Amino acid sequence: ELKVEQNPLFLSMQEGKNYTIYCNYSTTSDRLYWYRQDPGKSLESLFVLLSNGAVKQEGRLMASLDTKARLSTLHITAAVHDLSATYFCAVDVRAGSYQLTFGKGTKLSVIP
Amino acid sequence: DADVTQTPRNRITKTGKRIMLECSQTKGHDRMYWYRQDPGLGLRLIYYSFDVKDINKGEISDGYSVSRQAQAKFSLSLESAIPNQTALYFCATADGSYNEQFFGPGTRLTVL
Repeated sequence: ELKVEQNPLFLSMQEGKNYTIYCNYSTTSDRLYWYRQDPGKSLESLFVLLSNGAVKQEGRLMASLDTKARLSTLHITAAVHDLSATYFCAVDVRAGSYQLTFGKGTKLSVIP
Repeated sequence: DADVTQTPRNRITKTGKRIMLECSQTKGHDRMYWYRQDPGLGLRLIYYSFDVKDINKGEISDGYSVSRQAQAKFSLSLESAIPNQTALYFCATADGSYNEQFFGPGTRLTVL
């Protein structure tokens, strides 16, 4: 059974601090996706990582993928309140399946 | 206008009632998905469709059925709703060789 584990599940951090969210998965997929969900809202695609060593950055968020370790990280630099949201990682169930399995999400609260 | 729309946005119903949730998209994508989201459980796949004639069960299809009326429309039905189907339901679409999915705004369903 495919497992996608995120940690931490809850994260409270002060503005200006750095932190990393981890996503471990058990499939051999080389594709990983990060989404953001604001409270009561839909999911918004943040990053698509398509190969080992891929790194994508947008503003204060940077995502990376290590397929050998089956690990992706979402690094937050100098957090601001607007980054408060729930972040999900997702992986393809298997190559060519076009199905995603999601982690349970990391709820991030950035405190002034 | 939103690319992926869902109706209704909120619905309260009673145990045993038949409910249909509708999803429409203007993105021209072939693949469409239905998920449910429960607190602390992430998103779980109910059904997915790669085109009008290709419908597949997901992880948690029991108690649900779907209809792909056209490339742009994908409906989810609860034949006889029960309280543990109370959840937030999302429709998503995707296209191309990788699986970045685009989500609708969600339908909050409460079964009393």
